[in-house]
Amino acid sequence: EVQLLESGGGLVQPGGSLRLSCAASGFTYSSYAMSWVRQAPGKGLEWVSVFSGSGSSTYYADSVKGRFTISRDNSKNTLYLQMNSLRVEDTAVYYCAKGGVRGVIITPFDYWGQGTLVTVSS
Amino acid sequence: QLVLTQSPSASASLGASVKLTCTLSSGHSTYAIAWHQQQPDKGPRFLMKVNSDGSHSKGDGIPDRLSGSSSGAERYLTISSLQSEDEADYYCQTWGTGTVVFGGGTKLTVL
Repeated sequence: EVQLLESGGGLVQPGGSLRLSCAASGFTYSSYAMSWVRQAPGKGLEWVSVFSGSGSSTYYADSVKGRFTISRDNSKNTLYLQMNSLRVEDTAVYYCAKGGVRGVIITPFDYWGQGTLVTVSS
Repeated sequence: QLVLTQSPSASASLGASVKLTCTLSSGHSTYAIAWHQQQPDKGPRFLMKVNSDGSHSKGDGIPDRLSGSSSGAERYLTISSLQSEDEADYYCQTWGTGTVVFGGGTKLTVL
């Protein structure tokens, strides 16, 4: 059974930093790209970033480029999102999502986590 | 620019059928999309991928009463025999070079 468990959310002041983690299990982690997707309160889904399964290809949404860094540790089956220079508008539930096609970086997502809430406020 | 458009809301009666629409922006009518369901206070769940020819592939455990189809730039999700647990937000997703795009979502109310 595929499981994705996010952690690391919390309250942070504008300009601060936070690191999210997503622990994965139930599949060959290194074979699949992994993404972060966020959802502001009462709003829709917004893709944030993706990291390829093997290798080190990454892509970012323009809204976070230069402030957020995605990474992964395939030995620990864990995905990370380092968030710096946080803004009030980054307040959202952050989900990790598994890519649905082995070896392809940009694909439909076939599994999602339950999310972790990040609140940016003074 | 790759954009997906969804109606903000839809409603149908218990036991009836409903067809949700996701429209691809001009120049992108051959793109596949994926449908995701988000029940209240839960993470999204992958339902199916729908190709431009109307073929679709479902996620694990998705019942037969959910199906996908296509016509031109429109991609559809049809839910038959509506149940109370179908009341949820439905998002379509597509993807291009270095980007992933979501539609704004459709809130489905089961009457």
